[in-house]
Amino acid sequence: GAVVSQHPSRVICKSGTSVKIECRSLDFQATTMFWYRQFPKQSLMLMATSNEGSKATYEQGVEKDKFLINHASLTLSTLTVTSAHPEDSSFYICSAPKRDSPVYEQYFGPGTRLTVT
Amino acid sequence: QKEVEQDPGPLSVPEGAIVSLNCTYSNSAFQYFMWYRQYSRKGPELLMYTYSSGNKEDGRFTAQVDKSSKYISLFIRDSQPSDSATYLCAMSENDMRFGAGTRLTVKP
Repeated sequence: GAVVSQHPSRVICKSGTSVKIECRSLDFQATTMFWYRQFPKQSLMLMATSNEGSKATYEQGVEKDKFLINHASLTLSTLTVTSAHPEDSSFYICSAPKRDSPVYEQYFGPGTRLTVT
Repeated sequence: QKEVEQDPGPLSVPEGAIVSLNCTYSNSAFQYFMWYRQYSRKGPELLMYTYSSGNKEDGRFTAQVDKSSKYISLFIRDSQPSDSATYLCAMSENDMRFGAGTRLTVKP
């Protein structure tokens, strides 16, 4: 199998605080992980591509200083939402292809619902 | 114009019906076409993928790609209540682009 976990599954935080979301590939190695954001009834929007041992690549319009990504090992990537605001409230999903597999064979985590009050 | 267009529905059908889900796209460079199923409050799971044009069948599911029309479809035969979910199309050249998802409800 190919299992991706995320922690926490749900988090509520106050405006101005920072929140860290973890994405782990449990039974495979992932040199690349993807972070998506999904608003209600909208598509998955790619935020950034996380590469193990190097800097993440951010999509246009995504603030890299606000959404800090660290891919410190072949099984773990973290997304930190800094100085969160209510408009950051969303469903954040990570995904990863198996190492040496094509990008379309992505395995998704269960998502993290962030609510900023 | 969005790169990938998908009618968000909702779509409601009786159990046993044939379901047709569709997406159109604008980027002719897309080579891989995927369908994901997403249950409420869960991450998407890959259902099927197709390379270039053609059909692919897997049990009750059939995926079709028509690159000349930039149109892809997913057919579900003998639909079941357990098929109730949001179905996302996705396409890839290097990066992946997702449709908005179609919310399907299969009523017993």
